[in-house]
Amino acid sequence: NAGVTQTPKFRILKIGQSMTLQCAQDMNHNYMYWYRQDPGMGLKLIYYSVGAGITDKGEVPNGYNVSRSTTEDFPLRLELAAPSQTSVYFCASSPAGTSVTYEQYFGPGTRLTVT
Amino acid sequence: AQSVTQLDSHVSVSEGTPVLLRCNYSSSYSPSLFWYVQHPNKGLQLLLKYTSAATLVKGINGFEAEFKKSETSFHLTKPSAHMSDAAEYFCVVSERGYSTLTFGKGTMLLVSP
Repeated sequence: NAGVTQTPKFRILKIGQSMTLQCAQDMNHNYMYWYRQDPGMGLKLIYYSVGAGITDKGEVPNGYNVSRSTTEDFPLRLELAAPSQTSVYFCASSPAGTSVTYEQYFGPGTRLTVT
Repeated sequence: AQSVTQLDSHVSVSEGTPVLLRCNYSSSYSPSLFWYVQHPNKGLQLLLKYTSAATLVKGINGFEAEFKKSETSFHLTKPSAHMSDAAEYFCVVSERGYSTLTFGKGTMLLVSP
């Protein structure tokens, strides 16, 4: 199993440009997540999905959009990039749980710079 | 509402000495608690998790953590630090059965020879 994969690894965007960060998992996990990590701030949840066709906002969703058409893929779209979106982005997945919270499995990250 | 506080932003130890990384949590109901490690320029890896079984949880690479409900703490320990332990460590909380996690701000562990 490849686990959680993310592309690209690095990207530089100009202000106002758009891009899509790709995320895929091959573990048949229902839940998928997008986080951003800024120095000294831990990880902040941007969006998450509990299954194909279902998405919900996290703590910092402004400036981002997501879709989930398949179990495997969960792309994150940045529209009109701004310098405040310079960050490291992590995708994660986990099995579904009701009485148990399962751990999340993380991808290697995408380092995005907006100038 | 759930939250987690990591009490130290940086901890420095010498190789071979004990490690203590402190974490306090706030949770309305029964929490699930995790410790993740992040080596430089890498993704996050699970060290250990507490989900209401034994209060002393053993993880990978000799780390362990104890859930203390009365103190709302989940401190991470290791008897003897190794150079390869140098990394950032995140304490994470979730309400049991919830699908989302809340991360602490992280503790950077520095290990000197």
